[in-house]
Amino acid sequence: EAGVTQSPTHLIKTRGQQATLRCSPISGHTSVYWYQQALGLGLQFLLWYDEGEERNRGNFPPRFSGRQFPNYSSELNVNALELEDSALYLCASSSDLGETQYFGPGTRLLVL
Amino acid sequence: LAKTTQPISMDSYEGQEVNITCSHNNIATNDYITWYQQFPSQGPRFIIQGYKTKVTNEVASLFIPADRKSSTLSLPRVSLSDTAVYYCLVGDPYSGTYKYIFGTGTRLKVLA
Repeated sequence: EAGVTQSPTHLIKTRGQQATLRCSPISGHTSVYWYQQALGLGLQFLLWYDEGEERNRGNFPPRFSGRQFPNYSSELNVNALELEDSALYLCASSSDLGETQYFGPGTRLLVL
Repeated sequence: LAKTTQPISMDSYEGQEVNITCSHNNIATNDYITWYQQFPSQGPRFIIQGYKTKVTNEVASLFIPADRKSSTLSLPRVSLSDTAVYYCLVGDPYSGTYKYIFGTGTRLKVLA
């Protein structure tokens, strides 16, 4: 069974640009979670989508947004990129509320 | 939200048992305790979850005292491949308002 996949693996952008990161959950999983992990820091919860709806979000500005598609894949969009947005962005999926989250390999975003 | 406190880092030798303690003084009635493991440049991986007393699986044990204000992850006979960051999370995963706070984790280094 394929795990959570994310694309691209690496992304380089300049300040002010927009970045789009993609995530495909494990087949059968309806919940997708997004996390940011800046260098040397722990994971910061960003967003949680379930059945196409945003269920919860962490303490991030509105320029971090996303969506979940009917096939349960998800996109994370970061507008007006800032240097401090440089981080590893991790996506996880679970089959239901409270079930184990399975993480993808992440997208490493570098903002110059 | 229950705040967690873990040691920043620990060193151990191969073959030893490693115990990592997490403090969560304001844990709520419905909160569970979950531990994740993260290797460099990878997403975290679920290790174990518990609510009270002791939980054991094929990779670890989780000890939770009666007051639930702390928990201890026990890794039996560690090997070099157990070198990773270990995160303790506390919250109600069945709640739609749960924000998955990973914190900075405990960096375990296993020495030969």
